[in-house]
Amino acid sequence: GAVVSQHPSWVICKSGTSVKIECRSLDFQATTMFWYRQFPKQSLMLMATSNEGSKATYEQGVEKDKFLINHASLTLSTLTVTSAHPEDSSFYICSARGGTSGPDTQYFGPGTRLTVL
Amino acid sequence: SQQGEEDPQALSIQEGENATMNCSYKTSINNLQWYRQNSGRGLVHLILIRSNEREKHSGRLRVTLDTSKKSSSLLITASRAADTASYFCATDAWDDKIIFGKGTRLHILP
Repeated sequence: GAVVSQHPSWVICKSGTSVKIECRSLDFQATTMFWYRQFPKQSLMLMATSNEGSKATYEQGVEKDKFLINHASLTLSTLTVTSAHPEDSSFYICSARGGTSGPDTQYFGPGTRLTVL
Repeated sequence: SQQGEEDPQALSIQEGENATMNCSYKTSINNLQWYRQNSGRGLVHLILIRSNEREKHSGRLRVTLDTSKKSSSLLITASRAADTASYFCATDAWDDKIIFGKGTRLHILP
């Protein structure tokens, strides 16, 4: 089956630093990838939709200059949290559409837990 | 804004009993999916039901979809301790996005 990986699985950083999270589709080409954020005991909130070779589309209320998304290839999308602050601490999950199961199927990565001190 | 709303928000039942969770949504959909998430972990895809389907089964799971009422239900039969998790419905509304509901926290009591 299709696999999506994320790296790192967890990261702790100081306030003010930038953190990059990678999302890879390991065995299929993903034309579209999605980034979600999940706070403790809450649901996943869609942050942005990322299409290969074009600018990401951000959901309302998500700062594009704060959360930089780059979808450089059909297998890799990156999310950079710039000048991270403690309120950015969250669980970040990516997903990708594609694979042999068809465009309806979306595969989720295992998530990256970000803690900003 | 979120598409789906799960009901109940939390559910505690005895092991062996059936658990039913409901999901309501607001707009027309292509399909609806149910996911499970153990505490602090990633999502596990459980089942996908298309807008032209009314019921789907997978092992101990039964999902129904009523597009006229914009609602879905997830039934877990003969619950086990390992079923303790959060369950989310997620809707795919023809715009490539999957939007998650708030989730139901299910706790199976021994």
